[in-house]
Amino acid sequence: GENVEQHPSTLSVQEGDSAVIKCTYSDSASNYFPWYKQELGKRPQLIIDIRSNVGEKKDQRIAVTLNKTAKHFSLHITETQPEDSAVYFCAASKRSGGYQKVTFGIGTKLQVIP
Amino acid sequence: EAQVTQNPRYLITVTGKKLTVTCSQNMNHEYMSWYRQDPGLGLRQIYYSMNVEVTDKGDVPEGYKVSRKEKRNFPLILESPSPNQTSLYFCASSSELYNEQFFGPGTRLTVL
Repeated sequence: GENVEQHPSTLSVQEGDSAVIKCTYSDSASNYFPWYKQELGKRPQLIIDIRSNVGEKKDQRIAVTLNKTAKHFSLHITETQPEDSAVYFCAASKRSGGYQKVTFGIGTKLQVIP
Repeated sequence: EAQVTQNPRYLITVTGKKLTVTCSQNMNHEYMSWYRQDPGLGLRQIYYSMNVEVTDKGDVPEGYKVSRKEKRNFPLILESPSPNQTSLYFCASSSELYNEQFFGPGTRLTVL
């Protein structure tokens, strides 16, 4: 089955700096790569996603890049703010038996220091 | 308001006492899933359902059961809970056309 590796597991940055979280996946059939943000005590919520026919996607201060050849995708947050502090999960998804199966990474705890 | 709801939000129980965690969504989504979240292990899928009466095992199904008798509801059943099932549980739903998963608020379960 699919294996998603995510690193780093923890990341501390100064407010205003950039943060980068990286993920690799194993199954070349994966075609959808979402990123979820989970604030303390809250549910995970989608912040950005990318499909396999696109190499990069940007939404204000966040961007995701995808390298299908290397099976690697990354989340980039620029001009970090304290409210960006949360756990971020990457995921890889593929069609399997009529269902879009999703495999999550273990998460990255991001701390933005004011 | 489009949402996924779970009940109860918190539950403390004892080994072997059957329990059910309910999940309901009002978005007419075909797909529903249950995940457990444990420190250092991320979100792991327990069971999923593609539609009414269609369910299948995820990555960690041992000790759990599910049913999908109605499109909106997807309860998680622990027939004989054990301490290793102490965890934070999330229900999620998504549509066939769009892949974004909408998560419920979570259920924190402690099995003594």
